[in-house]
Amino acid sequence: EAQVTQNPRYLITVTGKKLTVTCSQNMNHEYMSWYRQDPGLGLRQIYYSMNVEVTDKGDVPEGYKVSRKEKRNFPLILESPSPNQTSLYFCASSSWTGSSYNEQFFGPGTRLTVL
Amino acid sequence: RKEVEQDPGPFNVPEGATVAFNCTYSNSASQSFFWYRQDCRKEPKLLMSVYSSGNEDGRFTAQLNRASQYISLLIRDSKLSDSATYLCVLRSYNQGGKLIFGQGTELSVKP
Repeated sequence: EAQVTQNPRYLITVTGKKLTVTCSQNMNHEYMSWYRQDPGLGLRQIYYSMNVEVTDKGDVPEGYKVSRKEKRNFPLILESPSPNQTSLYFCASSSWTGSSYNEQFFGPGTRLTVL
Repeated sequence: RKEVEQDPGPFNVPEGATVAFNCTYSNSASQSFFWYRQDCRKEPKLLMSVYSSGNEDGRFTAQLNRASQYISLLIRDSKLSDSATYLCVLRSYNQGGKLIFGQGTELSVKP
């Protein structure tokens, strides 16, 4: 089954404790992206990657890191989480046909609470 | 001004009603347009792409007016299962192909 998986689905942590949210897709997609969703603000892009070893900042990259060492994986790293990073996080991927991007598929989401 | 603005919700309609959502965008370089559906804080899922010529998928009709920078979604014969948040989304190729989301309009279909 074609899918995007994220782990963990739910996480409660404390300020300053480093954490990683994993994202994996099995569709051989070139493009992957991380979003956060907050009430009243909608979905906002954190980082994106157009292919292996190619990453770039989105709209709200502060406090986050990413890496793309393999095509299928795109982990999101919070080196020192703070309460304002409490949010619902989505990973997404899509293919690139050379002239256009196709549909973005989203993972099930990770609900993060930072105390 | 937000890049994508949607009708404020929530929309509360009876089963069988026709409901229309509107969306305006500010970036004329936007290339692709979509409506996504999101159920109760689950992941967004593509409902349909939006083309300049207009397109229909069963009870759903989407329209794009590039001159007015306006997108619409029409749902006919609403079902209880249509209750969700509908997100207007555009994709700009001059911004790395990222998706830009509206805040969403909540639809609640009542028996």
